Amino acid sequence: LAKTTQPISMDSYEGQEVNITCSHNNIATNDYITWYQQFPSQGPRFIIQGYKTKVTNEVASLFIPADRKSSTLSLPRVSLSDTAVYYCLVGGTNDYKLSFGAGTTVTVRA
Amino acid sequence: NAGVTQTPKFRILKIGQSMTLQCTQDMNHNYMYWYRQDPGMGLKLIYYSVGAGITDKGEVPNGYNVSRSTTEDFPLRLELAAPSQTSVYFCASTIQTGGQPQHFGDGTRLSIL
Repeated sequence: LAKTTQPISMDSYEGQEVNITCSHNNIATNDYITWYQQFPSQGPRFIIQGYKTKVTNEVASLFIPADRKSSTLSLPRVSLSDTAVYYCLVGGTNDYKLSFGAGTTVTVRA
Repeated sequence: NAGVTQTPKFRILKIGQSMTLQCTQDMNHNYMYWYRQDPGMGLKLIYYSVGAGITDKGEVPNGYNVSRSTTEDFPLRLELAAPSQTSVYFCASTIQTGGQPQHFGDGTRLSIL
């Protein structure tokens, strides 16, 4: 399993763009990069997944450089309700045990 | 379609008591997981199952047992509750490992006093 490193916390203000970078230097060829969001007192929720280049959905964008050794989750124009913990996970189809680290606590202020 | 359902939502146990945390999913997912999350920490994998009748240990299995008699259900049992098992427990399922996202329940908040 590829080990991931992401910042412990980030602060932002409403309306700003938040970018969270996750490092995964030993990512394997068949590994996907998946991001989850967790609100207090709730289970994590899948928000986006990618393999290479850029992926965008209604919630976020995921940027993956050509070497795939890192990825950046971009949250456009955040609101107070985006305050949550964001987890970066890396794994392939044979990885039964995915590791949720401490994640990045994003705090959005008014 | 309820997704992943966990019961109970809250429970207080005395040291030495036993209990079973229930988890059921209606998505016909083969893979199911139990995690615990201590305050301010990430999730730690307790046990997982790749299908009915097949279970395996995760990072922190001591003090817990699981069974998987059906595709839908994956109960977690605490035999002798200890204060160190005070935590929030999450059950998750996925149709496929690694590349497919896990679907989580709302958690069971357990306190051992």
